[in-house]
Amino acid sequence: EAGVAQSPRYKIIEKRQSVAFWCNPISGHATLYWYQQILGQGPKLLIQFQNNGVVDDSQLPKDRFSAERLKGVDSTLKIQPAKLEDSAVYLCASSLFRSPSYEQYFGPGTRLTVT
Amino acid sequence: GIQVEQSPPDLILQEGANSTLRCNFSDSVNNLQWFHQNPWGQLINLFYIPSGTKQNGRLSATTVATERYSLLYISSSQTTDSGVYFCAVVPVVDDMRFGAGTRLTVKP
Repeated sequence: EAGVAQSPRYKIIEKRQSVAFWCNPISGHATLYWYQQILGQGPKLLIQFQNNGVVDDSQLPKDRFSAERLKGVDSTLKIQPAKLEDSAVYLCASSLFRSPSYEQYFGPGTRLTVT
Repeated sequence: GIQVEQSPPDLILQEGANSTLRCNFSDSVNNLQWFHQNPWGQLINLFYIPSGTKQNGRLSATTVATERYSLLYISSSQTTDSGVYFCAVVPVVDDMRFGAGTRLTVKP
C-alpha cells in the first residue's frame, strides 16, 4: 500500500513570494490533514478535510494561507504572500475516516525556507 | 485545550541500553499515537494505543487512560533508533495535539 505522497520535498522562496504544496493521501482515506511543524516543536494542525469539505480550519491563517481538496482526493496548500515565520515543515496526513478511532499516517513533508 | 507533556526532552544512550519515554496528558482522549521522526523528517507510526499495552519487536507501549499517561519502552537500543519521538493525542472534543517530543541519541 502506497503511503501519503507530498511534493516538493524542499522549497526556498523569498518573503512576499507565493508557494504551493501538493499532497496525495493513502488510497481510500476520506480525511486529509495539513500540519505545520516549526523547528524544535511538534506538528500543529492547520486544516482538516473530510472528502472535499473543510471540517476544521480554525488554526489556518486565512489572510495568507489557503487550501483545497476539490475532488476529495489530492489537496494543495498555498501561502501567499509568504513571511519569514512561515519557514517550517508542512506535513500532510490522512486517515480512513474522521473519527478519532482511526490512525493518522503522515507523508514525508515539504521543508519550506523563506528568506 | 489539552496539554501534552513529554519527558525527558533529551536522552543520550549507549547502543544496547534500554529506555522509557513518558507522555502525560491533561484530559480524556479518544486516540493516542506514538511516532518516530527520523533525521530526514519522516513521521513513522509506532503505535496506535488509546489504552492497554502493545509490543512490536524491541518497542512496546502502555497507556493508562484513567491516569492520563502513556509510556514507550525501547529495549536494546540501536543507532537507527535515534531521532525525535512524539506522543500525539486526540481529545474527546478537539483535533490531534502533539507533545514537544523526546530527542533520542543512541551512540555506537
